[in-house]
Amino acid sequence: DGGITQSPKYLFRKEGQNVTLSCEQNLNHDAMYWYRQDPGQGLRLIYYSQIVNDFQKGDIAEGYSVSREKKESFPLTVTSAQKNPTAFYLCASSSKIGRRTDTQYFGPGTRLTVL
Amino acid sequence: AQKVTQAQTEISVVEKEDVTLDCVYETRDTTYYLFWYKQPPSGELVFLIRRNSFDEQNEISGRYSWNFQKSTSSFNFTITASQVVDSAVYFCALSEREGQAGTALIFGKGTTLSVSS
Repeated sequence: DGGITQSPKYLFRKEGQNVTLSCEQNLNHDAMYWYRQDPGQGLRLIYYSQIVNDFQKGDIAEGYSVSREKKESFPLTVTSAQKNPTAFYLCASSSKIGRRTDTQYFGPGTRLTVL
Repeated sequence: AQKVTQAQTEISVVEKEDVTLDCVYETRDTTYYLFWYKQPPSGELVFLIRRNSFDEQNEISGRYSWNFQKSTSSFNFTITASQVVDSAVYFCALSEREGQAGTALIFGKGTTLSVSS
């Protein structure tokens, strides 16, 4: 089955720790994205990547880092510099048609809680 | 600046009622895309529809229909004969044509729909 997987589903972190959220897709999509969702809020873009070895900051990149070493994978690291990391994190991917990016499809999400 | 407004925070209906979810957007671009996503309690966002700014035809898919009006910058979503399984948070989103601005989706804050039996 083609799709986007995120792991773990739930993650608990102590203050001061870095944690890495996994996102893998087997849809052969070029572009991948990370969004953060807080209660009662829409999704906000953290980082996105349109090709391997390249990524761009979104609106709320501070305290986060990413890598894109493989087309299928776009892990997100939440660093200790992120002041309020408790949130629901959603990964998405989309194909590219020329310079235009197609519809974004989402993974099941990771719920991060800082203890 | 681009913006999406979903003024209805929560809507409660009884099964079989029709319900319309409002979405108003702001953009300076002439080419853009509008989306609706559904987020059930499980959390995953499910894609429902994508509309190109040049295509103002309304669309119907089963019990779902969408009304796109550029004149009022609105892209409203109607569920006919609602069912309990329609209970979810619904998001409207805007994406510009890829260019210097990139390809981010700009989301509204969502409308929580509760359908009771």
